[in-house]
Amino acid sequence: KAGVTQTPRYLIKTRGQQVTLSCSPISGHRSVSWYQQTPGQGLQFLFEYFSETQRNKGNFPGRFSGRQFSNSRSEMNVSTLELGDSALYLCASRYVPRGGADTDTQYFGPGTRLTVL
Amino acid sequence: ILNVEQSPQSLHVQEGDSTNFTCSFPSSNFYALHWYRWETAKSPEALFVMTLNGDEKKKGRISATLNTKEGYSYLYIKGSQPEDSATYLCASGSYIPTFGRGTSLIVHP
Repeated sequence: KAGVTQTPRYLIKTRGQQVTLSCSPISGHRSVSWYQQTPGQGLQFLFEYFSETQRNKGNFPGRFSGRQFSNSRSEMNVSTLELGDSALYLCASRYVPRGGADTDTQYFGPGTRLTVL
Repeated sequence: ILNVEQSPQSLHVQEGDSTNFTCSFPSSNFYALHWYRWETAKSPEALFVMTLNGDEKKKGRISATLNTKEGYSYLYIKGSQPEDSATYLCASGSYIPTFGRGTSLIVHP
């Protein structure tokens, strides 16, 4: 089974621009979560999408948004980029059985390294 | 404890040494505790998901224990090898996991 893929792997933008990152989960996984990793803050939860709906959201400003498509692929958008948005953005997918508990393992992608100049 | 905390922050050991790290988490409203291994230039890899107090999980030379009443988990590596060098992360929570800052392990040949 193919793993979680993320595109692009590297991205350089300037302040004020917007960016869209893409994540393709493992086939059959309906849950996709996004995380931001910075040296100062560690790994922080952005949001989770499940069956095309945002199910949970972390403590990030509204400039960070996302969506999920019917094939479970997910995109994350950051508008009006700031220097502090420079980070590694990871997505993770999870198999959630119908009617099952959500303690299943998350599988992470390789990440997108975003640099804001 | 309000956040997830890990100690030590970094650790250097010699090949063959056994080692352990600690993850402390809020014991109230506990749901699950996850351990991940994150090697440089790779994706975080799930090691264990633990939910019950007293849980013990093992994967090869790596094992973990869980105490939900006092809010801590230990990760043990027996006979460390250079390929065990990585950052070990723990995360607590369900839908909104809170990650610790990790323990960076370097195993010297």
